[in-house]
Amino acid sequence: IAGITQAPTSQILAAGRRMTLRCTQDMRHNAMYWYRQDLGLGLRLIHYSNTAGTTGKGEVPDGYSVSRANTDDFPLTLASAVPSQTSVYFCASSDSGRDTQYFGPGTRLTVL
Amino acid sequence: EDQVTQSPEALRLQEGESSSLNCSYTVSGLRGLFWYRQDPGKGPEFLFTLYSAGEEKEKERLKATLTKKESFLHITAPKPEDSATYLCAVHPKGRNQFYFGTGTSLTVIP
Repeated sequence: IAGITQAPTSQILAAGRRMTLRCTQDMRHNAMYWYRQDLGLGLRLIHYSNTAGTTGKGEVPDGYSVSRANTDDFPLTLASAVPSQTSVYFCASSDSGRDTQYFGPGTRLTVL
Repeated sequence: EDQVTQSPEALRLQEGESSSLNCSYTVSGLRGLFWYRQDPGKGPEFLFTLYSAGEEKEKERLKATLTKKESFLHITAPKPEDSATYLCAVHPKGRNQFYFGTGTSLTVIP
């Protein structure tokens, strides 16, 4: 079934540790996005990539980095996790020329 | 500043009791407005895209409408399976990101 997969489903992480959240899509969409969702704040964009090889900063990029080596994969890395990065993280993708973003199932991250 | 406000925060309806959810937005120019449904523990599921004032889209018991300052998601004769959080998002012209509202949590009671 076409769509977006994210891994892991959930993770508990000690503060200061490095963590990479994985996102893979099989729809051949050019654009990909990372959001975090926090109660009362809604979905906020962390980083995006309009096409393989390019990335950009969203609304809340501090403490996060991304790479886009190919069309399908868009990993999000927390270099040194802090408790304020406890959240649910969603990856999304969209096709060039069409705005609609399609979301993955999310990763629930707890930083202690 | 680009901004999206959804109301009410929560809504409880009896099965069959029609109602509307509101999404007010402030953007310098609108490229598109999107409605999503989100079930607990799941990712947002796309429902509708609206591009210009006066546009309407329908899907089963849901109808989305758009004016220059707000969008409504009308739910006709809802069923318990319509219970979810409904999210609204805007894509401003010239920007690379969506702005999401905080959602309306809908509960439909049998």
